[in-house]
Amino acid sequence: GNSVTQMEGPVTLSEEAFLTINCTYTATGYPSLFWYVQYPGEGLQLLLKATKADDKGSNKGFEATYRKETTSFHLEKGSVQVSDSAVYFCALYGSSNTGKLIFGQGTTLQVKP
Amino acid sequence: DGGITQSPKYLFRKEGQNVTLSCEQNLNHDAMYWYRQDPGQGLRLIYYSQIVNDFQKGDIAEGYSVSREKKESFPLTVTSAQKNPTAFYLCASSEGVLGETQYFGPGTRLLVL
Repeated sequence: GNSVTQMEGPVTLSEEAFLTINCTYTATGYPSLFWYVQYPGEGLQLLLKATKADDKGSNKGFEATYRKETTSFHLEKGSVQVSDSAVYFCALYGSSNTGKLIFGQGTTLQVKP
Repeated sequence: DGGITQSPKYLFRKEGQNVTLSCEQNLNHDAMYWYRQDPGQGLRLIYYSQIVNDFQKGDIAEGYSVSREKKESFPLTVTSAQKNPTAFYLCASSEGVLGETQYFGPGTRLLVL
């Protein structure tokens, strides 16, 4: 079945450092891929998405490229801020999912001043 | 403002008691979803509804019930049969029937007394 695997956290960075959070997936066909962000005590916010191979999703300085050859959708940001501290979830939606988003387990990012 | 509201923010349940979590959306979305989030884990789907008066079980439906009498409302009842109800509950909605991009509410934290 479809699945998503994220790198384990927590990831701790200093302000202005480069961020990469790895995400790989297993799916049949051509799924859509998402990154959601969850700030403490809040719901999930859609950060970015990509719906086909080689698409790049971007928002608020974050980027992720849909790589079908490596089944990956790694999240990157060139210069993180303290306000980026949150939990980041990679998710997949496939035609066989019948409405279900498949989530990774989440990666906690801590940015120190 | 369009969005998804969940109430209450915190809910306490006594042994043997049923409790109902509210979810309302004014986005005119057809599909609505309930997820459960446990610490350090991704989200797991409890129930989802594609249209009014129709809903399907997700991966962990046991001990929960839902109704969808109105397009904008999708309440979740945690019954006494759910032996481990302490969790963060998230409601989501998507445009169209099983639209792939899901938008989340702020969540309800359920605690057992």
